[in-house]
Amino acid sequence: EAGVAQSPRYKIIEKRQSVAFWCNPISGHATLYWYQQILGQGPKLLIQFQNNGVVDDSQLPKDRFSAERLKGVDSTLKIQPAKLEDSAVYLCASSPGQGIHEQYFGPGTRLTVT
Amino acid sequence: GQQVMQIPQYQHVQEGEDFTTYCNSSTTLSNIQWYKQRPGGHPVFLIQLVKSGEVKKQKRLTFQFGEAKKNSSLHITATQTTDVGTYFCAGLAAGNKLTFGGGTRVLVKP
Repeated sequence: EAGVAQSPRYKIIEKRQSVAFWCNPISGHATLYWYQQILGQGPKLLIQFQNNGVVDDSQLPKDRFSAERLKGVDSTLKIQPAKLEDSAVYLCASSPGQGIHEQYFGPGTRLTVT
Repeated sequence: GQQVMQIPQYQHVQEGEDFTTYCNSSTTLSNIQWYKQRPGGHPVFLIQLVKSGEVKKQKRLTFQFGEAKKNSSLHITATQTTDVGTYFCAGLAAGNKLTFGGGTRVLVKP
């Protein structure tokens, strides 16, 4: 079974530029998550999708971050414009359903904003 | 909002020794999950605890869920170099949102 795929693996941009990350979850997984993991901290949930609907985006900085999962499969996370404090690893995870299911994480995208 | 705290933040262990890391939630949890993240890697699911007072074992790892379902612990016996990494607990409360703790970073001295 293929795991969660993410691209790119690394990205370096200047502040005020925009960037987009892509995630392909495990086939058949209805729930998709985007996390931000700052160095030395635990993953922080940014947004959770159930199929193509948003379940929770309470911690997503909506003035600069956006995410979509149009067909209920792949997802993209965008930052525009980026700030220095956005430097982090962005992790995508998927699970068969909400709540009690374990989450499978992708390798992450390491973003550096200079 | 819900907060999940883990102590200690760092754990330096001599190879062969035992240690315990603790996880505390500000709210009652419906379940708790533990993940391990190797240096440079991504979190990998270890186990899930659902019942009050539940204890589960995986080889040298013992996981416990508190009676009040607000805390959990991970005990590792006879630590090996393969145990190096960061161990995260993640608590599931109302709204089906998993909140991760800050992690315990384990370093093993051979």
